[in-house]
Amino acid sequence: RKEVEQDPGPFNVPEGATVAFNCTYSNSASQSFFWYRQDCRKEPKLLMSVYSSGNEDGRFTAQLNRASQYISLLIRDSKLSDSATYLCGGDTGRRALTFGSGTRLQVQP
Amino acid sequence: GAGVSQSPSNKVTEKGKDVELRCDPISGHTALYWYRQSLGQGLEFLIYFQGNSAPDKSGLPSDRFSAERTGGSVSTLTIQRTQQEDSAVYLCASSPTGFSGANVLTFGAGSRLTVL
Repeated sequence: RKEVEQDPGPFNVPEGATVAFNCTYSNSASQSFFWYRQDCRKEPKLLMSVYSSGNEDGRFTAQLNRASQYISLLIRDSKLSDSATYLCGGDTGRRALTFGSGTRLQVQP
Repeated sequence: GAGVSQSPSNKVTEKGKDVELRCDPISGHTALYWYRQSLGQGLEFLIYFQGNSAPDKSGLPSDRFSAERTGGSVSTLTIQRTQQEDSAVYLCASSPTGFSGANVLTFGAGSRLTVL
C-alpha cells in the first residue's frame, strides 16, 4: 500500500462547479499535510497547508480527518484557471514530504 | 537567489553514461530535497539534506544514484551508468529549516533527463 494515495482522475467539471478531492495516508503518526498545485510541465507550488481545524483560503477549503486518515480539498466556483494536477503531501513519519500521485482537474467552459 | 535554481533544464544522454544534475537552493535555506517525477506520475522522494546532519538517502532507487551537498548550499545528484528507466524530471526543493508543519518546500523548475 502506498503511503499517500490519491484518485488520479481526471475530474472534468464545468465552470462554477464545486469539486472535492480526497487523499488517504497510511501512517497514523503523520503530523503535517499540504496540498500542492502543479501545472502541466511546471514545478509544484504550495496551494495550502492542512490543519486539524480546517483551513479556508478564498474558494479553497482543506480538511484533515485523523480518525479516517484522509485529507480533503474542496474547490468552490471552479474557474478555468483551476485546471491543474493537485498533489497532496504528508510527512508520513520521515523527514521529507511524501506525495501522492496527484489528481488531475480539468475545468471546462 | 530568488528561487531554487536547477541545471541543466534538459539533458539527453545515452544509456550507460553518467550524468550530474545541479541544484542551487534559496539562500539561507538549510534543508534540501531531491524528488523525481516520471511522466504522468507523482513525486518520488530520493534524498534529503538538513544542515550538517547525515542525509536521509532512503529514497534512492539504486546504488547508481548518489548526491552530495557542499558547504551546506549547492547540491549535485549523480546518476551513474544511466538506464532508460531513469528518464524523468528531477526536482529539487528547499525549505528554511528542517521539515516541519511550519515550513514548506519551494521547488525548482526541474531537470528533464532523457536516456536514449
